[in-house]
Amino acid sequence: GQNIDQPTEMTATEGAIVQINCTYQTSGFNGLFWYQQHAGEAPTFLSYNVLDGLEEKGRFSSFLSRSKGYSYLLLKELQMKDSASYLCAVLTDYKLSFGAGTTVTVRA
Amino acid sequence: EPEVTQTPSHQVTQMGQEVILRCVPISNHLYFYWYRQILGQKVEFLVSFYNNEISEKSEIFDDQFSVERPDGSNFTLKIRSTKLEDSAMYFCASTQGGEAKNIQYFGAGTRLSVL
Repeated sequence: GQNIDQPTEMTATEGAIVQINCTYQTSGFNGLFWYQQHAGEAPTFLSYNVLDGLEEKGRFSSFLSRSKGYSYLLLKELQMKDSASYLCAVLTDYKLSFGAGTTVTVRA
Repeated sequence: EPEVTQTPSHQVTQMGQEVILRCVPISNHLYFYWYRQILGQKVEFLVSFYNNEISEKSEIFDDQFSVERPDGSNFTLKIRSTKLEDSAMYFCASTQGGEAKNIQYFGAGTRLSVL
C-alpha cells in the first residue's frame, strides 16, 4: 500500500517562513506533488518534483530526496491568504495518492 | 485560463438512487480521473481513464461505479445505487499528456449528499 505522512497542523506568523515535511513509502514513484486546498474547494497545483533537488516557484519551493522518501514544501513571506491545507501526493502509474494534508494557519 | 468544470456543485439524493456527476476536462487533455474526499478525510483515487477505457481503478470503485466519455467533451461518473457512505466531495481531474502529462488539474468538485 501507499503510506504518506505529513504533520496535521502548523501555525506561523505573517511574513515568516514555514516548512512542511512529507515522508512517503510507496510501491512505485513517478513524481511528488504539492497541492493547496482551501476549505470546501478543489486542490490547486503548487509544485512537482520528479528528480532530487529543489524546485523554486516564487514564494513556494519544494524539495525531493527519492533515496530518503522525503519532500518538503517551503512557504516564504507568508500571507494571510496562505492559510489553507497543503497536500503532499505521490504519483504512481496513473494515480495520485495523497497524504492527509497539513493545515497551515497564518496569524497576523 | 482553461479549467476543469464540474456540475452540479451540490447533489442531494436518496439512498438507493442513481446519480451522474458530470465533468468537462480541459479541452486538449487526454487523461481523466475521479477522486473523492469524505468530509475531514484525505483525497482518495477512484479511477483513471485514457483512450476511452479505464486505466486503473481503486478498491472503492466497485460495480456500483462506472465512468463514461459520451462525447468529445464530457466525462461522467455514475453511481448506480447510492449508499450513505457515498456522501463525499467528488473531484474530476485531467492531465495533458506529453511532458506535462503528470500534472493533474482539479475541478471545483461536486458535493454529494446521500440521505
